[in-house]
Amino acid sequence: QVLLQQWGAGLLKPSETLSLTCAVYGGSFSGYLWSWIRQPPGKGLEWIGEINYSGSTNYNPTLKSRLTMSVDTSKNQFSLMLSSVTAADTAVYFCARMVGNDYSPWGQGTLVTVSS
Amino acid sequence: QSALTQPASVSGSPGQSITISCTGTSRDIGDYNSVSWYQHHPGKAPQLIIYDVSHRPSGVSNRFSGSKSDNTASLTISGLQAEDEADYYCSPSSSILRIFGTGTKVTVL
Repeated sequence: QVLLQQWGAGLLKPSETLSLTCAVYGGSFSGYLWSWIRQPPGKGLEWIGEINYSGSTNYNPTLKSRLTMSVDTSKNQFSLMLSSVTAADTAVYFCARMVGNDYSPWGQGTLVTVSS
Repeated sequence: QSALTQPASVSGSPGQSITISCTGTSRDIGDYNSVSWYQHHPGKAPQLIIYDVSHRPSGVSNRFSGSKSDNTASLTISGLQAEDEADYYCSPSSSILRIFGTGTKVTVL
């Protein structure tokens, strides 16, 4: 059974960089797309971007200029960095594995709050 | 890419059946023969409960069923139980589109 465990700073000030990491346990790391999805308070799910085993990325155009994703295949981990955060970036951030065109499983979520 | 439209909330009594709609356009739901549904209990990880319009992953209750007609997909929960109280999101399973529905809060009365 594949398990995704994520972590990262939960409180940021405006203009700082959000950094999250997701570790994959119990399954293959190659052959899948690894995704980040977020949910702002009281709102729905928003796709952030994805990365594959070799480091090829696909980003949400609205976030692309501030976004960097990376993989560490030696640790079966992938990471998200979002620069110059504002209050609008406050959300629960999820990592997820893309199987075919579906997301399963998901990480437990990390609440990131941007506040001065 | 715009979010797909779902009713904000749907409610039902235990044992009843409810249906959640997911309305898109010919460029998303209508253009793909594959729709997924996710169940999300706040504070927990979302879970895939329907893929390819009507298929259930292993371990998902057969009380969940899905269908699609033209630009609208639907999720039906039969025999509603207290544990079904959660948020539900649709998504067209696509190698190109990365969008979700607006989400539906299911309340068990």
